[in-house]
Amino acid sequence: QKEVEQNSGPLSVPEGAIASLNCTYSDRGSQSFFWYRQYSGKSPELIMSIYSNGDKEDGRFTAQLNKASQYVSLLIRDSQPSDSATYLCAVLYGNKLVFGAGTILRVKS
Amino acid sequence: SQTIHQWPATLVQPVGSPLSLECTVEGTSNPNLYWYRQAAGRGLQLLFYSVGIGQISSEVPQNLSASRPQDRQFILSSKKLLLSDSGFYLCAWMSGYYGYTFGSGTRLTVV
Repeated sequence: QKEVEQNSGPLSVPEGAIASLNCTYSDRGSQSFFWYRQYSGKSPELIMSIYSNGDKEDGRFTAQLNKASQYVSLLIRDSQPSDSATYLCAVLYGNKLVFGAGTILRVKS
Repeated sequence: SQTIHQWPATLVQPVGSPLSLECTVEGTSNPNLYWYRQAAGRGLQLLFYSVGIGQISSEVPQNLSASRPQDRQFILSSKKLLLSDSGFYLCAWMSGYYGYTFGSGTRLTVV
């Protein structure tokens, strides 16, 4: 059984702070990892992908991957109220994405 | 550019009625297509996926079926809806190495 685990939250951070979202996965052979953002009532949208150990930065977002620990994280710098959403971690197994249950992020102004 | 269309956006159906949700993709050929369901406050559950015309893989035994009559068309169906079929249904296609792109979703309420 391929599993992806996330803390459901909610994670509350003040505006301007760094939000840190974490995810673990069960299959050591996984190679592709994704973070999606989902606003209430909307479909998920891809915000980051990462395939190699280390950090990948895109604007205010940084994805971190540690394959030895089977751990993926997403950092959001200078958090804004518009970042308030559910963040879904996803791991590609073959040609199927397995999603975590998501972490609710609330950014308070 | 590639786009994915899904309709209807909202649907209210009585228990025991049939269901047909349609998804089409433009701008690509032979895409891998997926149907997911998201129950209220829950994660995404993979229901079906298809790698080509007539090729359907079912992930979870349930009251639903899927068909792929054309390369860029994926249909989710039920003969008789149950209350437990309520949820947010999402169609997606695999953008190669770059994960999935989702349609806008259908919110189904079975009453």
